[in-house]
Amino acid sequence: GAVVSQHPSRVICKSGTSVKIECRSLDFQATTMFWYRQFPKQSLMLMATSNEGSKATYEQGVEKDKFLINHASLTLSTLTVTSAHPEDSSFYICSAAGNLGQETQYFGPGTRLLVL
Amino acid sequence: EDQVTQSPEALRLQEGESSSLNCSYTVSGLRGLFWYRQDPGKGPEFLFTLYSAGEEKEKERLKATLTKKESFLHITAPKPEDSATYLCAVQPIIQGAQKLVFGQGTRLTINP
Repeated sequence: GAVVSQHPSRVICKSGTSVKIECRSLDFQATTMFWYRQFPKQSLMLMATSNEGSKATYEQGVEKDKFLINHASLTLSTLTVTSAHPEDSSFYICSAAGNLGQETQYFGPGTRLLVL
Repeated sequence: EDQVTQSPEALRLQEGESSSLNCSYTVSGLRGLFWYRQDPGKGPEFLFTLYSAGEEKEKERLKATLTKKESFLHITAPKPEDSATYLCAVQPIIQGAQKLVFGQGTRLTINP
């Protein structure tokens, strides 16, 4: 149990385009989903937290207009990187958690984004 | 400020050579401490959650322990397939939030 998927696993795009990444919890209902980014040989940095049906909460320094998050259902959250630039190239990972307070976060396999 | 420090940064062991990874933390209030394993190019895989000092959990060759200031991940007789980056994270007690604060990880290499 506790499987989280992400799509696509890898994407290459031109500078200025927008990219959407999907995160799905396959076998449980995720009341909260999290989006992280990870640079090579560094740890995970939380970008934002999203609760189903409400606006995402962004971490300090993360531009909410650039990284649009939608959590429309208990099994799906999307991250859209708008007007992507080469500095947005990174490994984006989502995680999902239930609603019991001490719930473990289960992570997706990640999406490698390369902006040319 | 909530903070997690893992040591060592990298560790090389021979197959069968047991060792321990350290996770030191400072947090205003601890809801839980989590260990994850991450393979290159993949998302973290959940290993353990510890909630209170004195708690221990085991899974195959791994055992995690917790005190009020640190956690250890003990690896007994490791095999090459245990090579990965091991991440420690704390979940502070914050009303209405389930954030994790991650350490930098320990890159473990087990040589055959």
